[in-house]
Amino acid sequence: AQSVSQHNHHVILSEAASLELGCNYSYGGTVNLFWYVQYPGQHLQLLLKYFSGDPLVKGIKGFEAEFIKSKFSFNLRKPSVQWSDTAEYFCAVRNNAGNMLTFGGGTRLMVKP
Amino acid sequence: GAGVSQSPSNKVTEKGKDVELRCDPISGHTALYWYRQSLGQGLEFLIYFQGNSAPDKSGLPSDRFSAERTGGSVSTLTIQRTQQEDSAVYLCASSLVDTSNNEQFFGPGTRLTVL
Repeated sequence: AQSVSQHNHHVILSEAASLELGCNYSYGGTVNLFWYVQYPGQHLQLLLKYFSGDPLVKGIKGFEAEFIKSKFSFNLRKPSVQWSDTAEYFCAVRNNAGNMLTFGGGTRLMVKP
Repeated sequence: GAGVSQSPSNKVTEKGKDVELRCDPISGHTALYWYRQSLGQGLEFLIYFQGNSAPDKSGLPSDRFSAERTGGSVSTLTIQRTQQEDSAVYLCASSLVDTSNNEQFFGPGTRLTVL
């Protein structure tokens, strides 16, 4: 069975700091990769996704992620965070054997103003 | 446009009672998913419906859990004889099953508390 690991459970940053959240998955075949965000009191929303092509994916709100196949990683980055980025971030993987998503444990990001 | 809706938003029940949770997917989405978000377990897949195909029930944690999807639209997740460990937020998602754009759109969830 595939699994997804997010190594940082809690991250605290000051505004304008750079962000990188790690995500590693275990499935060896073809995968689709996603980052979702859950702002306080809101639904899960898609930040960005990778299906194929350019491994550097741009998402909403200045986020990007890089798929490194050799490292089974899909880390999320943002060069300069804002207070409004305070949220929980989830990495998810979908393999070509099914349509369900396997989620990582989530990373709670707090950005101090 | 309308997103995925779920009801009730909160449900408090006593141990041993049955509960039903409802999900209205986005109109035209043929795939519907149930997930559970709980402390210590993160987000777990429960069940997946696609059109008229038999559902993928591989994530259901026990036979107390069941789900149906009537008319290819609304879905109901039923938990029988609830236990305290069933307390969680139950999330529903829907998607177009198109391999080039299989984004899942999530509803707000139902927070279930079993006393």
